[in-house]
Amino acid sequence: DAKTTQPPSMDCAEGRAANLPCNHSTISGNEYVYWYRQIHSQGPQYIIHGLKNNETNEMASLIITEDRKSSTLILPHATLRDTAVYYCIVSSGADSWGKLQFGAGTQVVVTP
Amino acid sequence: DSGVTQTPKHLITATGQRVTLRCSPRSGDLSVYWYQQSLDQGLQFLIQYYNGEERAKGNILERFSAQQFPDLHSELNLSSLELGDSALYFCASSERLGGGIGNEQFFGPGTRLTVL
Repeated sequence: DAKTTQPPSMDCAEGRAANLPCNHSTISGNEYVYWYRQIHSQGPQYIIHGLKNNETNEMASLIITEDRKSSTLILPHATLRDTAVYYCIVSSGADSWGKLQFGAGTQVVVTP
Repeated sequence: DSGVTQTPKHLITATGQRVTLRCSPRSGDLSVYWYQQSLDQGLQFLIQYYNGEERAKGNILERFSAQQFPDLHSELNLSSLELGDSALYFCASSERLGGGIGNEQFFGPGTRLTVL
């Protein structure tokens, strides 16, 4: 599976959009981009994933560049409860076993 | 609430001992994954089961073993425990076997193991 690079930390003001970048320059054609987050030692929580197209759900939006070498997770209106470590993970498609390789992630702190 | 349950929540034991961690996946999920999170190693994949069969292995120590039972719950057995085994152990479940569309994993609350 391809590796990802994320900034170690970022701050965001409550109510503003949080844009979390992720580089995955070695991603291959059948690999998906997944985002999970972990709030202080709780179990990681699935946020969103995508292959080529941009995706949106009730939690966030995922923007994937055309060459698929990077992506951005957007939390549209950050709240204090969004303070967490956010993990960008590249995982192979249906021919893999689906395991997740977590990196160090980005510690996001949302401030009032 | 992810629908994945893990017991016990906390476990304190001594070096050399053996413990069993239990996981019940979400209703309908056939895949179960075990992960270890320690301060120095981060979240690491240990092992995956699908419908009772082992399907993938990560950096799981030989002292550790797991199984998935016919009712799909899973147990992770840790033996000859060492201080360095102290960590959070998470179980996750998903509907399918492989990666890709629709195979997001749902994590349990974890078991915090402390080895003294």
